Amino acid sequence: AQTVTQSQPEMSVQEAETVTLSCTYDTSESNYYLFWYKQPPSRQMILVIRQEAYKQQNATENRFSVNFQKAAKSFSLKISDSQLGDTAMYFCAFMIGGTSYGKLTFGQGTILTVHP
Amino acid sequence: DAGVIQSPRHEVTEMGQEVTLRCKPISGHNSLFWYRQTMMRGLELLIYFNNNVPIDDSGMPEDRFSAKMPNASFSTLKIQPSEPRDSAVYFCASTGVAGNTIYFGEGSWLTVV
Repeated sequence: AQTVTQSQPEMSVQEAETVTLSCTYDTSESNYYLFWYKQPPSRQMILVIRQEAYKQQNATENRFSVNFQKAAKSFSLKISDSQLGDTAMYFCAFMIGGTSYGKLTFGQGTILTVHP
Repeated sequence: DAGVIQSPRHEVTEMGQEVTLRCKPISGHNSLFWYRQTMMRGLELLIYFNNNVPIDDSGMPEDRFSAKMPNASFSTLKIQPSEPRDSAVYFCASTGVAGNTIYFGEGSWLTVV
């Protein structure tokens, strides 16, 4: 079975600064995907970024980037130039490719607060 | 493009009542998922459909829960009878043939009193 661990229950950062959220996972699969989802107080689940395991290049989406360390099974999210709207719960998620598409295993979440 | 649409957004019901949650996946998506989020268990997959056929319902907690997908654009999750421990946010999500990006609806926040 796959597991996803987010060891930081809460993080805080000042507006305009950079913050990194940690995530580790455990799997014996070789074909998989990793995701970061954002959940603001509205409870909506918003996809932030996706990383395919077969790609060595780290994914980036505007102010969001990941540090994917496959051998270490680590997948951290870096948020640059933090904005007040980034305040939310962030979930790391894992998905096996192929027939298991869509079956996400989530971490426990990290509450991020951005202070003005 | 419209995203995954869920209804109702919020529902408060009394224990023992039947609850029906509805979902319209993104047009063209062929896989649909129901997830539940609680404080105790976090986010967990209840059931998923591929081409309207239930593929894996091992996450459905008990017989009080049932899900259907009568066509490609509509699914329901039903709880009968409802219990206070069913209080949670229920998410519907869908993905297309490529399957590597899963889009969530806004969730249905259920409270059973």
